[in-house]
Amino acid sequence: NAGVTQTPKFQVLKTGQSMTLQCAQDMNHNSMYWYRQDPGMGLRLIYYSASEGTTDKGEVPNGYNVSRLNKREFSLRLESAAPSQTSVYFCASSGDRAQWEETQYFGPGTRLLVL
Amino acid sequence: KNEVEQSPQNLTAQEGEFITINCSYSVGISALHWLQQHPGGGIVSLFMLSSGKKKHGRLIATINIQEKHSSLHITASHPRDSAVYICAVTRTGNQFYFGTGTSLTVIP
Repeated sequence: NAGVTQTPKFQVLKTGQSMTLQCAQDMNHNSMYWYRQDPGMGLRLIYYSASEGTTDKGEVPNGYNVSRLNKREFSLRLESAAPSQTSVYFCASSGDRAQWEETQYFGPGTRLLVL
Repeated sequence: KNEVEQSPQNLTAQEGEFITINCSYSVGISALHWLQQHPGGGIVSLFMLSSGKKKHGRLIATINIQEKHSSLHITASHPRDSAVYICAVTRTGNQFYFGTGTSLTVIP
């Protein structure tokens, strides 16, 4: 039981390049989330998916797109990376209850550096 | 203004000391979460509570809804407790608001 997995662990991009961060969970959770973590700012929600087939914007969605490919997988895409998107990205998932009142399980994070 | 404020920002303790980390919030909430972020970056959920007190091993979390305040206590602290502790709150039908974390270092 791997929990929440993320790939890649680390990535360096040049400004304007695109990439997709992958996330998968094996806990049969309905809800999945993408966060970014920046020094001194705490975690901030980028997008979330309450269930398969649905996605919603969080606090900082600009510059990102997401896809809930199936119940297990939730990907985050940067179409044209900018230095301001240098951050650590965390994927998380939670179970069946009211999504914001359920314990979230986090992936190990992806460190992204945009030059 | 951040909806969630934690104090202190940094804390150094000697092994064995009793530690308290505080979290204050300014919005009505449905639940409060304490998370632990290890030095390697991984995040683990420690507690979710909406009233009273919860205990797990040497960790105790309390919440006072009227005062909009929660505390995380660590008894008999150990160097392996060194981590960043993050407070987060949720509002019904809304999302998580995270504090910026308290960095704890426990010295042997």
